[in-house]
Amino acid sequence: GESVGLHLPTLSVQEGDNSIINCAYSNSASDYFIWYKQESGKGPQFIIDIRSNMDKRQGQRVTVLLNKTVKHLSLQIAATQPGDSAVYFCAENPPTNDYKLSFGAGTTVTVRA
Amino acid sequence: NAGVTQTPKFQVLKTGQSMTLQCAQDMNHNSMYWYRQDPGMGLRLIYYSASEGTTDKGEVPNGYNVSRLNKREFSLRLESAAPSQTSVYFCASSVHREGEQYFGPGTRLTVT
Repeated sequence: GESVGLHLPTLSVQEGDNSIINCAYSNSASDYFIWYKQESGKGPQFIIDIRSNMDKRQGQRVTVLLNKTVKHLSLQIAATQPGDSAVYFCAENPPTNDYKLSFGAGTTVTVRA
Repeated sequence: NAGVTQTPKFQVLKTGQSMTLQCAQDMNHNSMYWYRQDPGMGLRLIYYSASEGTTDKGEVPNGYNVSRLNKREFSLRLESAAPSQTSVYFCASSVHREGEQYFGPGTRLTVT
């Protein structure tokens, strides 16, 4: 399953499939980006980060891709599991904002059994 | 380590009442933050403290005050609560101003 565009708030994925969550960021000078996962009733939890001098970074079952040309960030989750159901936020760190993270609205991912 | 803790977990206030939300971290982090989260919106920064002894306004500071009591504790005060302040409030901390922020479990505040 894949979310497209900045404003698509939900993504439904079949268990075992790969998920792609997209995010468009606003400031071309942003130099640091983070993906967070927020489960219902809990605070956001760090997933993975990437600096602007990189195009790709891999973690455990997750990959973040950064396309600075079009100011686009994506999070890929391999072999999606029921525990991946959550809201996913991207955040950018614009240097002009004194390192205050700016968060997107989030994408709700629902995993179908 | 407990990480970031917040009290209370839930609170209901009447318009005009005041209250303080407490936050503490045991990770020896320098920077601390207060966010609010409203339905359909991302986290919005209210105030932050880059280091002990300093505080700065974020995106939505009106109606709030903060105190960085010491390195561990960062409190958020609502002097005269308004229904528009109904939200979920999250405290976060990070080693420095840049980098991963660790979040607390949140306080759900309702102002009637």
